[in-house]
Amino acid sequence: AQKVTQAQTEISVVEKEDVTLDCVYETRDTTYYLFWYKQPPSGELVFLIRRNSFDEQNEISGRYSWNFQKSTSSFNFTITASQVVDSAVYFCALSEAGSSASKIIFGSGTRLSIRP
Amino acid sequence: DGGITQSPKYLFRKEGQNVTLSCEQNLNHDAMYWYRQDPGQGLRLIYYSQIVNDFQKGDIAEGYSVSREKKESFPLTVTSAQKNPTAFYLCASSIGQGADWYNEQFFGPGTRLTVL
Repeated sequence: AQKVTQAQTEISVVEKEDVTLDCVYETRDTTYYLFWYKQPPSGELVFLIRRNSFDEQNEISGRYSWNFQKSTSSFNFTITASQVVDSAVYFCALSEAGSSASKIIFGSGTRLSIRP
Repeated sequence: DGGITQSPKYLFRKEGQNVTLSCEQNLNHDAMYWYRQDPGQGLRLIYYSQIVNDFQKGDIAEGYSVSREKKESFPLTVTSAQKNPTAFYLCASSIGQGADWYNEQFFGPGTRLTVL
């Protein structure tokens, strides 16, 4: 069965610190996609990144970077030089090729607070 | 601007009443979804629809009903049979064409339902 675990319920750091949000997944499929979404206080989820199971290259987008390691079934998200605007709940999610429609399984989320 | 709208933003319901949450999208997406979010938990899928006039139960469909008469609209009715309806409800859509399991979902701003 597919499962996504975000063990960090809440993280609080001071602005400009780097912070890493952990995501561990379980799947029996060899073909799957992993996602990260951001949920600011306004409520709607904002898509950040999608990564397929055959592409283990790390990705960097500005202050955001993602580390995908199939050997440890992890897809961690790092924010460099954090800013107050990064405060939000972040969700990691998994979608398998064998699932019907685009059923995405979400982790329970990590609430990130950036203190000024 | 293309996007997903949900109304109302806040909704209060007396016990025993049915209420309907609106979700409209102008992204020309085929697939639409309803999720429920409870504090400290991830998103759980209530219903999804891959095409007009067709929809499928998600993981927690009991006490909810939906319709998909138009491509743009996917209203959710929370019935009196739903034992604990107080939650944050999110609507989402995705392209939904062909193998849609790898496509990201786009979310609306959500409706916060409170049962009095």
